[in-house]
Amino acid sequence: TQLLEQSPQFLSIQEGENLTVYCNSSSVFSSLQWYRQEPGEGPVLLVTVVTGGEVKKLKRLTFQFGDARKDSSLHITAAQPGDTGLYLCAGANTGGFKTIFGAGTRLFVKA
Amino acid sequence: KAGVTQTPRYLIKTRGQQVTLSCSPISGHRSVSWYQQTPGQGLQFLFEYFSETQRNKGNFPGRFSGRQFSNSRSEMNVSTLELGDSALYLCASSPQNRAPTDTQYFGPGTRLTVL
Repeated sequence: TQLLEQSPQFLSIQEGENLTVYCNSSSVFSSLQWYRQEPGEGPVLLVTVVTGGEVKKLKRLTFQFGDARKDSSLHITAAQPGDTGLYLCAGANTGGFKTIFGAGTRLFVKA
Repeated sequence: KAGVTQTPRYLIKTRGQQVTLSCSPISGHRSVSWYQQTPGQGLQFLFEYFSETQRNKGNFPGRFSGRQFSNSRSEMNVSTLELGDSALYLCASSPQNRAPTDTQYFGPGTRLTVL
């Protein structure tokens, strides 16, 4: 059974601080996606990474896919209150139509 | 373009009852997936439909079932409800073949409470 473990589960920081969220697995994935979910809404896709070692940047967010395609990280620079939410990583494989989600990291950024 | 819509948004049922949830995908999307989200288990895959056929199924009991209509709208049904079925049920649509790099667009979910 493929599993994705996210850490930390909960993070409360001050505005302006940096943070990193990790997503780890013992399995290889063809792609890994990061989502953000706000209360009362469904998850919204932030990024998809498909190549081992790939780094993608989205404004203050930096996503990295591990060389072996088993892990990923999300780094936020100078966090803002608007970054508050539940961050989910999700892995998928070629030939399957099932996406495995991590349990999520709940981020709270205080003004 | 309208997003994924789910109805109803909130539902309260009692143990033993059954429930049907509805999902309308984004126009032109043919793949619909269903997920259950709970605080303890996170987001868990229920099943995925493409062109009215179930292509994959998660590890849920047979009380959970679904179907997809010719217009790609999908329904899921839960029979003989249990307290543990209380959750947010999310529907997601994708354009076509649900390749691993496809974007899934999620609806706002249906919050089911079983008393």
